[in-house]
Amino acid sequence: DTEVTQTPKHLVMGMTNKKSLKCEQHMGHRAMYWYKQKAKKPPELMFVYSYEKLSINESVPSRFSPECPNSSLLNLHLHALQPEDSALYLCASSQGQGKYNEQFFGPGTRLTVL
Amino acid sequence: AQRVTQPEKLLSVFKGAPVELKCNYSYSGSPELFWYVQYSRQRLQLLLRHISRESIKGFTADLNKGETSFHLKKPFAQEEDSAMYYCALFSGGYNKLIFGAGTRLAVHP
Repeated sequence: DTEVTQTPKHLVMGMTNKKSLKCEQHMGHRAMYWYKQKAKKPPELMFVYSYEKLSINESVPSRFSPECPNSSLLNLHLHALQPEDSALYLCASSQGQGKYNEQFFGPGTRLTVL
Repeated sequence: AQRVTQPEKLLSVFKGAPVELKCNYSYSGSPELFWYVQYSRQRLQLLLRHISRESIKGFTADLNKGETSFHLKKPFAQEEDSAMYYCALFSGGYNKLIFGAGTRLAVHP
C-alpha cells in the first residue's frame, strides 16, 4: 500500500459540532503532517508528528486538536469551528522529517463550516 | 527571511511551446528545493527535486545559487501538463516545507 488515505472526502459541519478527520498510511513512514489549503492558495502547515510525538504546531487555534494514536494513523479533531476554517485539509507522510524525505499527500478532506 | 516566490499566477501556452515556470527563493543556508504538481482532482505529488537532478515527464529544473532561482522548464508543453505547480523550499531551521503561491499552467491545443 503506497498511498495516504483520508476520510471523509467531504464534511459539512455547524459551528457547534464536534467532528474528526482521519488519515492513514501503511508505508512505514514515521512523520505525518496536517496541512490546510484554501482555494487557489498553497498548502499551509498546521502540525507535524514525528515518531508519534507532536513535533511542530504552527500556532494553530485550539479548536483544532491533532492526535497520533499509532504510527499509521493521524487524526484531526474539530470543535467549535468558524466559517473561515472551511478549506481542504491535507494529510501527508514521509519516512522521516528531514529534508531528504519526500512527502506523500493524501487526497484531502473538503471541510465546509456553516 | 525564508521565502519562495512564484511571480506568475497563470502561465498560458500552446501545445508544443516551451514552458518555464519561475521560482525564486530566499534562504541563508544550502537550499533543498522541490517542485510539486497538483493535477485537476488529483492529489498533490512530487514532480522533482533538485538534489536528484532527474527529468520527470520531460520537466527539468536547475538550481542557480547566484540568482537564487529554481525555474521549471519543459521544451515542448503537452495538454496533460495543465496543472497547478508549486515550488517548495525545505527549511532546515524550521524543519518544514515552505511553499510558493503556485503557478497555474494552462496548455491549449
